[in-house]
Amino acid sequence: ELKVEQNPLFLSMQEGKNYTIYCNYSTTSDRLYWYRQDPGKSLESLFVLLSNGAVKQEGRLMASLDTKARLSTLHITAAVHDLSATYFCAVDPTGTASKLTFGTGTRLQVTL
Amino acid sequence: NAGVTQTPKFQVLKTGQSMTLQCAQDMNHEYMSWYRQDPGMGLRLIHYSVGAGITDQGEVPNGYNVSRSTTEDFPLRLLSAAPSQTSVYFCASSRRVPYEQYFGPGTRLTVT
Repeated sequence: ELKVEQNPLFLSMQEGKNYTIYCNYSTTSDRLYWYRQDPGKSLESLFVLLSNGAVKQEGRLMASLDTKARLSTLHITAAVHDLSATYFCAVDPTGTASKLTFGTGTRLQVTL
Repeated sequence: NAGVTQTPKFQVLKTGQSMTLQCAQDMNHEYMSWYRQDPGMGLRLIHYSVGAGITDQGEVPNGYNVSRSTTEDFPLRLLSAAPSQTSVYFCASSRRVPYEQYFGPGTRLTVT
């Protein structure tokens, strides 16, 4: 059974600080997804990582994938309040983008 | 493009009632999926489809039926609602390239 674990589950950080969210998964997968969810809203796609060593950056967020270690990281640089949300990673071992297995999410709270 | 649409947005059912959650997409995506999200958890796959006429079970299929007669529509049927089915339901669609899964706005279902 595929397991996807995120840590931490909850992260409170001050504006301007850096931090990393980790996503470990238990089976081979070349594709990993990161999503953002605001309270009461749907999921917004942040990154799709398609191969080992993939690195993508958008604004203050950078995601990377190490398929050998079965690990992805989401790095937050100089956090701002607008980044407060829940972040999910998801793994797609079938390669069809239709059967994602999600982590339990990391709730990020950025305080002034 | 409207993207992925879901109706209704909210629904309250009594135990034992049946209903259908509607999902439609106008992006000509071959893959469609249904997920449920319970408080404090990630999304779990209920059923998915790789094309019209083809469906399969996900992680938590019990109590739900699906069919896919057209590329655009993928309704989810609750056969006899139970309080354990109280959840937020998300429909998603995707295609193999560029491997992105797009989510609908969700349906919040309460079963009393």
